[in-house]
Amino acid sequence: GNSVTQMEGPVTLSEEAFLTINCTYTATGYPSLFWYVQYPGEGLQLLLKATKADDKGSNKGFEATYRKETTSFHLEKGSVQVSDSAVYFCALSRSGGSNYKLTFGKGTLLTVNP
Amino acid sequence: ETGVTQTPRHLVMGMTNKKSLKCEQHLGHNAMYWYKQSAKKPLELMFVYNFKEQTENNSVPSRFSPECPNSSHLFLHLHTLQPEDSALYLCASSQDGLGALHFGNGTRLTVT
Repeated sequence: GNSVTQMEGPVTLSEEAFLTINCTYTATGYPSLFWYVQYPGEGLQLLLKATKADDKGSNKGFEATYRKETTSFHLEKGSVQVSDSAVYFCALSRSGGSNYKLTFGKGTLLTVNP
Repeated sequence: ETGVTQTPRHLVMGMTNKKSLKCEQHLGHNAMYWYKQSAKKPLELMFVYNFKEQTENNSVPSRFSPECPNSSHLFLHLHTLQPEDSALYLCASSQDGLGALHFGNGTRLTVT
């Protein structure tokens, strides 16, 4: 079945540091890939997505590239801010693109210190 | 404002109580979902409704009973819960296809 594995947290960085959160997946067919972010006390929000191989999703300075050859979708940001402190979830949808079966990773807690 | 509103934000209930969680979306979406978020576990999809019809029940115990009277409202009725049911319950909605899931802020449930 489909599965998502993301790096264990927590991740603690200083402001302006470079961020990478690794995500790899197992899926049949051609899934779409997502990163969601959950700020304290809130629900999840879509951060970025990619729907086919070699697509790059980007938003708010975050980027992730859909790598089919390595089945990866790593999240990166060049310079993090304190306001980026949150839990980040990698997710995939089953082939065909329906959101009805999103599979999530366990989440990675990021803390950015001033 | 996320467009998906959940009430209450916090709920404490005993194992013999009956309570309901409410979710309302103002985004015009046709699909609504209940997820359970527990510490150190992936989000668990519980139920999916599409155009008010239940299309997914992920082997959820019968002590959780969903209701979707229309495309904008979703309820989760709770009865005789167990302490291990304590978690954050998230409601979400989406439009067909590759659109994003829009989540509410969740109800933090504690079963004593």
